[in-house]
Amino acid sequence: DTGVSQDPRHKITKRGQNVTFRCDPISEHNRLYWYRQTLGQGPEFLTYFQNEAQLEKSRLLSDRFSAERPKGSFSTLEIQRTEQGDSAMYLCASSLVGTAGGYTFGSGTRLTVV
Amino acid sequence: GEDVEQSLFLSVREGDSSVINCTYTDSSSTYLYWYKQEPGAGLQLLTYIFSNMDMKQDQRLTVLLNKKDKHLSLRIADTQTGDSAIYFCAESGGQSSNTGKLIFGQGTTLQVKP
Repeated sequence: DTGVSQDPRHKITKRGQNVTFRCDPISEHNRLYWYRQTLGQGPEFLTYFQNEAQLEKSRLLSDRFSAERPKGSFSTLEIQRTEQGDSAMYLCASSLVGTAGGYTFGSGTRLTVV
Repeated sequence: GEDVEQSLFLSVREGDSSVINCTYTDSSSTYLYWYKQEPGAGLQLLTYIFSNMDMKQDQRLTVLLNKKDKHLSLRIADTQTGDSAIYFCAESGGQSSNTGKLIFGQGTTLQVKP
């Protein structure tokens, strides 16, 4: 297993465009998390899945954001009508429920909205 | 609400010990974590401590937890230039401990001078 993979690593988009990011978690992990990190800040929770069910969404996740994990494996995070304030690093992490050892994070997707 | 605070910057000389401090607000936190982030990368779990422990040692890393004062520290012995990075403290709040959601501090930048 190569860990948590995120694609793309970098994305530059024009304001108003839609973007989609993909996350492939560690295969045996049943929980998948999305976080957003802006410059000089720690990661902020956006949403998480247990298997294919989306169990919690942060109020940071406006209705322009949608996340899916259709078969309980990979996940996508889509941002519609991007705004400059969406520029950030989007981090995905996975874990196995019942284990205490924290998450494994991916390397992130850096989004720049111009 | 849940909040985690860290000092922003620490500079040490190679070979010295580094101590990074963190305070948190949620007294029901079950686990507390330390993550390391190198430039352009995701977060790497360094260590974690269960809330009923006072101390945990793992090679060059020592974690101290003062639950009464809600204070967590990370000591790095014999700090090396490769330890230069941003260090994040995180708590799994009591209400969110079943979700695995983490609340992160804003990170402490550790600069190691040769």
